[in-house]
Amino acid sequence: GAVVSQHPSRVICKSGTSVKIECRSLDFQATTMFWYRQFPKQSLMLMATSNEGSKATYEQGVEKDKFLINHASLTLSTLTVTSAHPEDSSFYICSASTGSFQETQYFGPGTRLLVL
Amino acid sequence: GEDVEQSLFLSVREGDSSVINCTYTDSSSTYLYWYKQEPGAGLQLLTYIFSNMDMKQDQRLTVLLNKKDKHLSLRIADTQTGDSAIYFCAVLRADNAGNMLTFGGGTRLMVKP
Repeated sequence: GAVVSQHPSRVICKSGTSVKIECRSLDFQATTMFWYRQFPKQSLMLMATSNEGSKATYEQGVEKDKFLINHASLTLSTLTVTSAHPEDSSFYICSASTGSFQETQYFGPGTRLLVL
Repeated sequence: GEDVEQSLFLSVREGDSSVINCTYTDSSSTYLYWYKQEPGAGLQLLTYIFSNMDMKQDQRLTVLLNKKDKHLSLRIADTQTGDSAIYFCAVLRADNAGNMLTFGGGTRLMVKP
């Protein structure tokens, strides 16, 4: 149990287009989802925390108008990279939890974005 | 693909040392990380070690890497109640498309007063 999926796994797009990445908890309800970004040869960076039905909380330095997050249901959160540029190329990982300390956090497999 | 394994749970008394273990399968891993997740929060990077190192110490934290056995550990000295959290190890490796980060399932550390 506790499977988190991401779609797509890889995406290549042209500069200036928008890309939507989906994160789904397949067999549990996730009140909280996290979005991370991994830069080449670097560790993961938390971008934002998303609670179902409310606005996402963005980390300092993350542009909320650039990275739109929607957590419309207890099983789905989406990250939209708007007007993507080559510097947005990265590996994006989501994770999901039920929001309480007693429940652990489950990671998706990641989405590799390449902007040409 | 890479498999990263951790024990699920660890309980220690305040003031004792905690040792959290992690094993991985891919010997081409380059960087290895330890993250901390506090209740309701996202991951916080604690420390990392490059694969050509055996040990790294940072204040109360000591990371040991045994490349032969593909074993990584995190030792927390003088563990405090504020250290209660979930600890994730993560392993970075390069594949044809770039770098891939794989996480373990997390170890829940409980510190008793």
